[in-house]
Amino acid sequence: GAVVSQHPSRVICKSGTSVKIECRSLDFQATTMFWYRQFPKQSLMLMATSNEGSKATYEQGVEKDKFLINHASLTLSTLTVTSAHPEDSSFYICSARVIAGNEQFFGPGTRLTVL
Amino acid sequence: AQTVTQSQPEMSVQEAETVTLSCTYDTSESDYYLFWYKQPPSRQMILVIRQEAYKQQNATENRFSVNFQKAAKSFSLKISDSQLGDAAMYFCAYRSSRYNNNDMRFGAGTRLTVKP
Repeated sequence: GAVVSQHPSRVICKSGTSVKIECRSLDFQATTMFWYRQFPKQSLMLMATSNEGSKATYEQGVEKDKFLINHASLTLSTLTVTSAHPEDSSFYICSARVIAGNEQFFGPGTRLTVL
Repeated sequence: AQTVTQSQPEMSVQEAETVTLSCTYDTSESDYYLFWYKQPPSRQMILVIRQEAYKQQNATENRFSVNFQKAAKSFSLKISDSQLGDAAMYFCAYRSSRYNNNDMRFGAGTRLTVKP
């Protein structure tokens, strides 16, 4: 099956700093990538949908200026958590949709801890 | 907006036995996809099975099968001959077939424990 990678897998940062998380589709091209956030013992909550070459669409309640998403190519999307605070600590998962397909593949996730 | 409900926060099954996880959803659409994902402790989301709403036949994947009741908007997962490796969080998910609204919505999850 198709592989989606995320980097880093784990990051610890100080409050007020910015953190960038990369999501790559390794062996396929993805026009659409999704970013989810998962708090402990909870489900995945969609944060935003990004399409290659266009602005991301954010879910209600998600601050677009805080969670910057860039989808510059068909294989790479990045999520930048700006001025991170402890409440941003969570597990972030990306997912990529195959071009003209119905398959959607998930990355292994990134655990963010903000001190 | 579509919602997905998993009413069983936790389930337990004896090894080699069968267990059924429940899922209901709410939608006004006629064409959509339904999924069951497994999330082990590694947190990697693993697709277990998928069902296209236009197909009447229930999907099966080896020991995993679904009972898809479109009119009742129910999509349960049956795991036969449960194995220790089946222990994980299971999420039911819905996705519209419309291109402009095709993100995946997840239920709250069911934690499955398999007893040896």
